[in-house]
Amino acid sequence: EAGVAQSPRYKIIEKRQSVAFWCNPISGHATLYWYQQILGQGPKLLIQFQNNGVVDDSQLPKDRFSAERLKGVDSTLKIQPAKLEDSAVYLCASSFTEYNEQFFGPGTRLTVL
Amino acid sequence: SQQGEEDPQALSIQEGENATMNCSYKTSINNLQWYRQNSGRGLVHLILIRSNEREKHSGRLRVTLDTSKKSSSLLITASRAADTASYFCATGRNSRLTFGEGTQLTVNP
Repeated sequence: EAGVAQSPRYKIIEKRQSVAFWCNPISGHATLYWYQQILGQGPKLLIQFQNNGVVDDSQLPKDRFSAERLKGVDSTLKIQPAKLEDSAVYLCASSFTEYNEQFFGPGTRLTVL
Repeated sequence: SQQGEEDPQALSIQEGENATMNCSYKTSINNLQWYRQNSGRGLVHLILIRSNEREKHSGRLRVTLDTSKKSSSLLITASRAADTASYFCATGRNSRLTFGEGTQLTVNP
């Protein structure tokens, strides 16, 4: 089966610019996650969707980050405006339900200059 | 906040040896999962152990869970150079997965 797809794979922007990431989960997976992984650290959950509803966004910096999952399939994560500390790999994952193993995409490596 | 803490932070062994990584956590959990991440790539799920299980095997992997000590261990037997990667434990609680900082395993040929 096809895995989780993410694009772009790499992005370099200047601080205060905006950026958007796209994720297409595995077909049939109801739960979708966005994680932020800073170099040398483990992934940190930013937001979790169940179908097209938000389950957990407690760790999402809502003043600059936003995410949506229209129609309960694809999802986009946006940062506006970006800060230097947002430099990280942004990982998207999906699972059949919130209690199953998660399948991760390859990630988007963001560099903010 | 990060709940799982892996130990050691880095481990270097020779091919054919066994590798053991430990994970400790602070609060009650529903399950504990181990993931592998090769350099610059996404995470791959290795094994899930539920809170009412004590041991689980998958190929060359053996995971134990001691809920009384709030700890888990991952054993990789007969390691190969291809096992070189970062290994993360992740604790599942109320449908949220919280990752530790990882153990960097290097298997030398």
